[in-house]
Amino acid sequence: EVRLVESGGDLVQPGGSLRLSCAASGFTFSGDWMGWVRQAPEKGLDWVAKINQDGSQTYYVDSVKGRFTISRDNAKNSLYLQMDSLRADDTAVYYCARLVWFSADHWGQGTLVTVSS
Amino acid sequence: DVVMTQSPLSLPVTLGQPASISCRSSQSLVHSDGNTYLNWFHQRPGQSPRRLIYKVSNRDSGVPDRFSGSGSGTDFTLKISRVEAEDVGVYYCMQSPHWPWTFGQGTKVEIK
Repeated sequence: EVRLVESGGDLVQPGGSLRLSCAASGFTFSGDWMGWVRQAPEKGLDWVAKINQDGSQTYYVDSVKGRFTISRDNAKNSLYLQMDSLRADDTAVYYCARLVWFSADHWGQGTLVTVSS
Repeated sequence: DVVMTQSPLSLPVTLGQPASISCRSSQSLVHSDGNTYLNWFHQRPGQSPRRLIYKVSNRDSGVPDRFSGSGSGTDFTLKISRVEAEDVGVYYCMQSPHWPWTFGQGTKVEIK
């Protein structure tokens, strides 16, 4: 069974940093693209970033370029999202997702990031 | 970015009756590989999204056959043949041939 478990969400001040993690199990992690999606409170879903199997290709939505970094450690079956220069509008639940054939077929339960002073 | 427009945004339905959600994209969702990458997700309150449909009309494992997807190019539809209580929540379409992948605004389905 595919399982994705996010962690690292917290309350952080504007301008601060946070690192999210996603622990994967139940599939060959190194064989799949992975990504992060976020959902602001009471809002819809937005893609943040995605990464290919060996980490050599990364893609970001414009609003996080230069501030967020997606990475992975295939030896640890883990996906990461380093978030710097956080802003109030980054407040959201962040989901990690497995990407197969241009789609997100499995999602984690999410971790809440709150950016506020 | 590709804009995905869903309608309606709110859909009160009667148990046992059909329901239909429309999703239109601002660009064709046909990828250079010939596939059309349009997905549908369902999110119940307090839960993470669950994929129902991929590549327009392919149901995920475990998804009841009362759910069906159709469409082509820029115009797509999710249909529920007979709504059940567990179908409440928000439905999102998502395009994935063009980065950044984008979702529709969501359609909230509730029981009348």
